[in-house]
Amino acid sequence: GESVGLHLPTLSVQEGDNSIINCAYSNSASDYFIWYKQESGKGPQFIIDIRSNMDKRQGQRVTVLLNKTVKHLSLQIAATQPGDSAVYFCAENFSGGYNKLIFGAGTRLAVHP
Amino acid sequence: GAVVSQHPSWVICKSGTSVKIECRSLDFQATTMFWYRQFPKQSLMLMATSNEGSKATYEQGVEKDKFLINHASLTLSTLTVTSAHPEDSSFYICSARLAKKPNEQYFGPGTRLTVT
Repeated sequence: GESVGLHLPTLSVQEGDNSIINCAYSNSASDYFIWYKQESGKGPQFIIDIRSNMDKRQGQRVTVLLNKTVKHLSLQIAATQPGDSAVYFCAENFSGGYNKLIFGAGTRLAVHP
Repeated sequence: GAVVSQHPSWVICKSGTSVKIECRSLDFQATTMFWYRQFPKQSLMLMATSNEGSKATYEQGVEKDKFLINHASLTLSTLTVTSAHPEDSSFYICSARLAKKPNEQYFGPGTRLTVT
């Protein structure tokens, strides 16, 4: 289930289950969105991206869904593995305007065997 | 390809001293580099946007005289934290954007700064 930590909410799942991480973005003009994975003490690692003209994009074991009506992104991870344990951030960009990545608050994913 | 490095990976300095962090794009040219700061259990906060050959653009609330950014070449940007204080202790992360692919941004591994 989900719980709110000091600053980062945590999603705890069992190994093999599917995970869904949610993100609310701030700017309705944003046209490009990215999910990043960050392990402790490391920089963000690109997972998957989606442009605003799409509502779904699939990668290997991951799917991103975009709902522009409510400014919501989700990241679905299939068959979650212990190596997926990390903090996940969504980021938004408005390429026609501010053209810089703005990060969401982040969610910690804890995968239990 | 598209590797970004940072040096040093961690640094400890005394209060009042200055420390320089380097960000390099190793195998591509980056017209734009970004500097982020991340406090424990928090998200990445953009500090400034650095364009090669011009002055950096700082985000609201970031002191440009305290965080000096230089982007002298297409592969190197530096962040100097001047007169560091314990509250400047943080994880500093840079990213570099490909010149011809504005939506592709690659992140460095971060630099852990501890000010004692």
